[in-house]
Amino acid sequence: EVQLVQSGAEVKKPGDSLKISCKGSGYTFTTYWVGWVRQMPGKGLEWMGIISPGDSDTRYSPSFQGQVTISADKSISTAYLQWSSLKASDSAIYYCARGSTWVDYWGQGTLVTVSS
Amino acid sequence: DIQMTQSPSSLSASVGDRVSITCRASQSISSSLNWYQQKPGKAPKLLIYLTSSLQSGVPSRFSGSGSGTDFTLTISSLQPEDFATYYCQQSYSTPYTFGQGTKLEIK
Repeated sequence: EVQLVQSGAEVKKPGDSLKISCKGSGYTFTTYWVGWVRQMPGKGLEWMGIISPGDSDTRYSPSFQGQVTISADKSISTAYLQWSSLKASDSAIYYCARGSTWVDYWGQGTLVTVSS
Repeated sequence: DIQMTQSPSSLSASVGDRVSITCRASQSISSSLNWYQQKPGKAPKLLIYLTSSLQSGVPSRFSGSGSGTDFTLTISSLQPEDFATYYCQQSYSTPYTFGQGTKLEIK
């Protein structure tokens, strides 16, 4: 069974750093791109970027380029989304997702709350 | 970036109704259009990819059509479990942008 299991909810302060994870199982991790999607409270879906775990080829949305870093460790079938300095406006649910041209499996979401 | 615009933003309908949701791209995206369903507190679920291909396990009452810039998701006979928010997404070029969503509510 294909699964993407994300790390748990985080509560952080503005300026903190953070790295959340997404572990794939039930398929060959390097075969599919893994993407990240943001959903702010009560809002729609925003495509952030994707990574090919096999060669770490990464594409970012211009809206998120320079704001976050997407990475992957194929040895442990895990993709990551990280921030070096969080802002209150980063508070959202972040989903990881398998696939590039369409997403057939989603993680359960990681709630990130940034508040002083 | 390619902008995706859905209409309507919200829709009230009854069980058994036939409903359609439209998605328009700011430029031609060929047939690179996907549809997702999201229920409150849950991750999105893929319904249709590449305009009209039904994802495995999705009921046949869901169908998609269109090409170029104009696309439609149709639900032939609404069931209680279909009340949710629907998103289109273009996968023609990165960033693979989503529409703003259409909330389908019970009348």
